[in-house]
Amino acid sequence: GAVVSQHPSRVICKSGTSVKIECRSLDFQATTMFWYRQFPKKSLMLMATSNEGSKATYEQGVEKDKFLINHASLTLSTLTVTSAHPEDSSFYICSATFPSGYEQFFGPGTRLTVL
Amino acid sequence: GENVEQHPSTLSVQEGDSAVIKCTYSDSASNYFPWYKQELGKGPQLIIDIRSNVGEKKDQRIAVTLNKTAKHFSLHITETQPEDSAVYFCAASSPQAGTALIFGKGTTLSVSS
Repeated sequence: GAVVSQHPSRVICKSGTSVKIECRSLDFQATTMFWYRQFPKKSLMLMATSNEGSKATYEQGVEKDKFLINHASLTLSTLTVTSAHPEDSSFYICSATFPSGYEQFFGPGTRLTVL
Repeated sequence: GENVEQHPSTLSVQEGDSAVIKCTYSDSASNYFPWYKQELGKGPQLIIDIRSNVGEKKDQRIAVTLNKTAKHFSLHITETQPEDSAVYFCAASSPQAGTALIFGKGTTLSVSS
């Protein structure tokens, strides 16, 4: 089956620092990847859609200068949380789709804690 | 845009009973409806999905039904087991492949033995 990995699984950082999260499709090429954010006991909220070779499309209310997304290859997308603050603490999850498919395969998530 | 409502928010059943979770969507153009199971601290796992050209799909103890006219779809789990305990999310997406999913708020299913 399609496997999506994320790294790191957990990260703790100090307020004001930047954190990079990687999302990789291990056994397929993903032209589109998605980044979601999930607060405790809440649903997944779409942050942005990442297309290989082009700029990401951000959802309303998501600051593109704070959440930098790069999709440099067909198997890798990165999310960088810049100048992190405690309110950025959350569970960040990526997903990827086949080029012509509907199914989305999710990564295991990254728990970010900003002190 | 699309809006997905999910009910109930919590569901407790006895082992062996059936569980039903219902979702409604607002965009009549949506045509892909997956269900995900999420265990604590993990990413969502696709358990079953249905496209708008069929009304029902079954995979062992899990089934999904879709009523396009009423714009609602349901997840049915039969013969529930304690390991079915998790949070279940429904979602919908528009016709274009690669379009993001819009999720319901989730249902916490607890199966007691």
